Amino acid sequence: GQQLNQSPQSMFIQEGEDVSMNCTSSSIFNTWLWYKQDPGEGPVLLIALYKAGELTSNGRLTAQFGITRKDSFLNISASIPSDVGIYFCAGQRANAGGTSYGKLTFGQGTILTVHP
Amino acid sequence: GAGVSQSPSNKVTEKGKDVELRCDPISGHTALYWYRQSLGQGLEFLIYFQGNSAPDKSGLPSDRFSAERTGGSVSTLTIQRTQQEDSAVYLCASSSDLGGYEQYFGPGTRLTVT
Repeated sequence: GQQLNQSPQSMFIQEGEDVSMNCTSSSIFNTWLWYKQDPGEGPVLLIALYKAGELTSNGRLTAQFGITRKDSFLNISASIPSDVGIYFCAGQRANAGGTSYGKLTFGQGTILTVHP
Repeated sequence: GAGVSQSPSNKVTEKGKDVELRCDPISGHTALYWYRQSLGQGLEFLIYFQGNSAPDKSGLPSDRFSAERTGGSVSTLTIQRTQQEDSAVYLCASSSDLGGYEQYFGPGTRLTVT
């Protein structure tokens, strides 16, 4: 099935550094979401974006819904060791009625390693 | 409150056997989703239930895969005649409204087919 193009695949950073990752698609999405997954766990929702151009923050996390509706980025500022994990973007399309349709399309994930 | 629960957490089965994976969604959530995650990959949509509507089965990879949702709550994903390529983590999610954008995931069932 279709997947979003997420980059980078992996990142190795020092504690305190800022991190940026992004997702692109060839088609439009109605909603963009960012999830974090720890080993042996299910993904946990970090940020949800509902409008093109929207910029949303959640603590040290900031995400933006691209104007074209075909991309999104996630920034993490001042990284800490517990930020380690796999980050996934996910997109959701609208149905014929214009409301977001449940099925999510996921990126391949960005593996984040933070060195103390 | 209780989140999405899945059982078993791990399942090892022999090729050709049938398996059933269970999902208990968050109480009151009307929508339920199954995804599959192969090693090192993102999540792949399998099937989606919303209330009493016909499920969206467009992601099921073959007719060996089926799912049902009883009483609008618990769901079972069944894989018949398992193959080695079915080995993956099977994740269930639920959400509370028709939009479904805030999907809450369970811990998954790790299926290994030997």
